[in-house]
Amino acid sequence: GESVGLHLPTLSVQEGDNSIINCAYSNSASDYFIWYKQESGKGPQFIIDIRSNMDKRQGQRVTVLLNKTVKHLSLQIAATQPGDSAVYFCAENGNGRSNTGKLIFGQGTTLQVKP
Amino acid sequence: NAGVMQNPRHLVRRRGQEARLRCSPMKGHSHVYWYRQLPEEGLKFMVYLQKENIIDESGMPKERFSAEFPKEGPSILRIQQVVRGDSAAYFCASSTGAGNTEAFFGQGTRLTVV
Repeated sequence: GESVGLHLPTLSVQEGDNSIINCAYSNSASDYFIWYKQESGKGPQFIIDIRSNMDKRQGQRVTVLLNKTVKHLSLQIAATQPGDSAVYFCAENGNGRSNTGKLIFGQGTTLQVKP
Repeated sequence: NAGVMQNPRHLVRRRGQEARLRCSPMKGHSHVYWYRQLPEEGLKFMVYLQKENIIDESGMPKERFSAEFPKEGPSILRIQQVVRGDSAAYFCASSTGAGNTEAFFGQGTRLTVV
């Protein structure tokens, strides 16, 4: 069945260090992936997306890497700041069978930034 | 351009009552999605609607839950005869199109059933 999961539930990093958050997916037909950031009491906030025809995409301080061979997705945050502390979710949208807009979320990784 | 607006932000209902959750999508967005989030978990898809049509309700419980997105007005998620297990955060998202388009989320409605 379809599933999107994260390797570690909590990641603690020092301010200024780089952070890497990982995600595994099981549906090889998945063709679109999104990373969301969710702060306490708020809705998910779009960070960056990537389509399956790409291996890498960069944004401001963030990079998403997609390895379709092993069905692995990662989010890299450069120079992590206290404001980056949140729960990060990867999500899969569009599985090649029906393009309904349905998102399948992973369980989430909590990023804690130590000052 | 206001974001996705959900109300109320917090809703308390007694067991057996009805809960109505509202979602106004971003301007120009005709696609609306509802998700449920239990504490310490990811979001679970419930239903996807376009104006006046339910496109995918595969994540919606068969009983007590319904959703609509009328031609005029917000999308409504309705839960009848609420039970304690319905307590969760309910998020609405909207987009300009289906499939591989960015969806923007609202701040959610936190439903507590007592």
